[in-house]
Amino acid sequence: SAVISQKPSRDICQRGTSLTIQCQVDSQVTMMFWYRQQPGQSLTLIATANQGSEATYESGFVIDKFPISRPNLTFSTLTVSNMSPEDSSIYLCSVAHRRANTGELFFGEGSRLTVL
Amino acid sequence: KQEVTQIPAALSVPEGENLVLNCSFTDSAIYNLQWFRQDPGKGLTSLLLIQSSQREQTSGRLNASLDKSSGRSTLYIAASQPGDSATYLCAATNDYKLSFGAGTTVTVRA
Repeated sequence: SAVISQKPSRDICQRGTSLTIQCQVDSQVTMMFWYRQQPGQSLTLIATANQGSEATYESGFVIDKFPISRPNLTFSTLTVSNMSPEDSSIYLCSVAHRRANTGELFFGEGSRLTVL
Repeated sequence: KQEVTQIPAALSVPEGENLVLNCSFTDSAIYNLQWFRQDPGKGLTSLLLIQSSQREQTSGRLNASLDKSSGRSTLYIAASQPGDSATYLCAATNDYKLSFGAGTTVTVRA
């Protein structure tokens, strides 16, 4: 398994501002993903964080709104830009060890954002 | 596109009763299927992972079955306890991308 730490765990933000969420893993992982869980909803994949290159975004998500960095195999950030109340969600980092060849994914505790 | 459905959306049982949670998916070409537990306001805890070549997995009181041909998975929780109260999510994996169901919220009454 992997131990995944996310910061901040929660925050209250003002409309129009931006917030960066950090994801730190205790071991080198091949795959890192960012998910969003809106209130009362299930999880939706935002993007795959690629080391040293641009993230791969899912339909409905764009880099200008959700810029992602992944400078190494253990760390990634997700920025939620120009926030509106509709961005109030839990944002979760997820990782997989491709070498393990099981496809099992592990999740952080999530970052709960409330936008006023 | 993979669509995952979970039935029922909510379940309330007395302590000691066995739980049966259902998950169905539309694309049978999955790599694996995972069951997660989520407590309110928290992240996801992986419970069981079933590879596409497997029929079931067991961990303690939990047993999950997989029938790829019919696009179904079932999570059984034996002898439920109040601590089992949570939302249970199933997710089908295609190329490391998970498609989640909406979850089943379980309440176990003491």
